Amino acid sequence: GAGVSQSPSNKVTEKGKDVELRCDPISGHTALYWYRQSLGQGLEFLIYFQGNSAPDKSGLPSDRFSAERTGGSVSTLTIQRTQQEDSAVYLCASSEGLVETQYFGPGTRLLVL
Amino acid sequence: GQSLEQPSEVTAVEGAIVQINCTYQTSGFYGLSWYQQHDGGAPTFLSYNALDGLEETGRFSSFLSRSDSYGYLLLQELQMKDSASYFCAVRGSWGKLQFGAGTQVVVTP
Repeated sequence: GAGVSQSPSNKVTEKGKDVELRCDPISGHTALYWYRQSLGQGLEFLIYFQGNSAPDKSGLPSDRFSAERTGGSVSTLTIQRTQQEDSAVYLCASSEGLVETQYFGPGTRLLVL
Repeated sequence: GQSLEQPSEVTAVEGAIVQINCTYQTSGFYGLSWYQQHDGGAPTFLSYNALDGLEETGRFSSFLSRSDSYGYLLLQELQMKDSASYFCAVRGSWGKLQFGAGTQVVVTP
């Protein structure tokens, strides 16, 4: 079946605006993860979902960041009042369970001007 | 908390063998994974070690020593397409993967 998809692929926004990033996981995958990757850096864990619940939100950088998942499928990562330091690639991944291999989407490249 | 260390860059010629080491400190450990990421691309899974020893998958092998908190990824018969970043990642006590900063492998003709 289809892999993990993310939209938009690129987003340019002005400082102070809100943005929503969407992730469609592989069908049937119960676990979903959000990561952030700055240019030339490793992956920074943000949050994960098991079903619709997020047991650990400690990776979210600030209270401007929030995420939800509905119907055990699609997830949205929302960044409010964006700042220039939020510029990065936001990657979503999914897996069948919490200990299974993670499959990554192509990412959303966010640029905050 | 968790921390992982791996070299920032390795350069080798086509046909050579490259070993990327990864040392980790973690309060909970379920296994060590390796991911490959080409420039502008998404990370893709390479291997996973939950137990000590060597796992071989084609030209790539991965090793784990839990007692030494150490693992490595071995790339054999290097090809130009192997030029990419390679990340080790530790799976903690629940679903979170903690990634290292990545090793840039540069393959030269």
